[in-house]
Amino acid sequence: DGGITQSPKYLFRKEGQNVTLSCEQNLNHDAMYWYRQDPGQGLRLIYYSQIVNDFQKGDIAEGYSVSREKKESFPLTVTSAQKNPTAFYLCASSIPRGIAGRWNEQFFGPGTRLTVL
Amino acid sequence: AQKITQTQPGMFVQEKEAVTLDCTYDTSDPSYGLFWYKQPSSGEMIFLIYQGSYDQQNATEGRYSLNFQKARKSANLVISASQLGDSAMYFCAMREGKNNFNKFYFGSGTKLNVKP
Repeated sequence: DGGITQSPKYLFRKEGQNVTLSCEQNLNHDAMYWYRQDPGQGLRLIYYSQIVNDFQKGDIAEGYSVSREKKESFPLTVTSAQKNPTAFYLCASSIPRGIAGRWNEQFFGPGTRLTVL
Repeated sequence: AQKITQTQPGMFVQEKEAVTLDCTYDTSDPSYGLFWYKQPSSGEMIFLIYQGSYDQQNATEGRYSLNFQKARKSANLVISASQLGDSAMYFCAMREGKNNFNKFYFGSGTKLNVKP
């Protein structure tokens, strides 16, 4: 089955530690995204990548870093510079257009809940 | 200016009744796509329905329909015959055709509670 996997599902971090969240997709999508979601809030874009070896900052990139060395993988590192990292993190992927010029939706992974202890 | 605006933070609806969730958008691009997602308490994002800017008819997917009013720049989601399982957060999103077509814009969401 094609889809997006994120690991781990739950992650606990001590203050001052860097942690890396995994995101893998086998949908052959070019674009991949990372979002942060705080309780009861909407999605905020952290980083996105349109092709391999390229990525752009989103609205809240400070304290985060990404890499895109392979099409299938887009890991997110939450660094110690991120002062309030406790949140739900969602990874997504997409391709621009499908049949008859339809703009395609994003496909989302199941998410990772990060808690700072 | 906000690209996507959802003005209803929370909504209640009686089971089996219909409910409309509001969404307005802002773009000068003639080609764009509008999307609705459902997010249950488990956190997964479930794609519900799509409307293209050039589509002549309102989109429908089962109990979901999209009331697309292009001149008003609104794309309201209508859920007919609400079920308890419809209780969730609902997000409206947009993708523009020209500049940066890979970027999606999300609204702040509406929390829907279906009462038995």
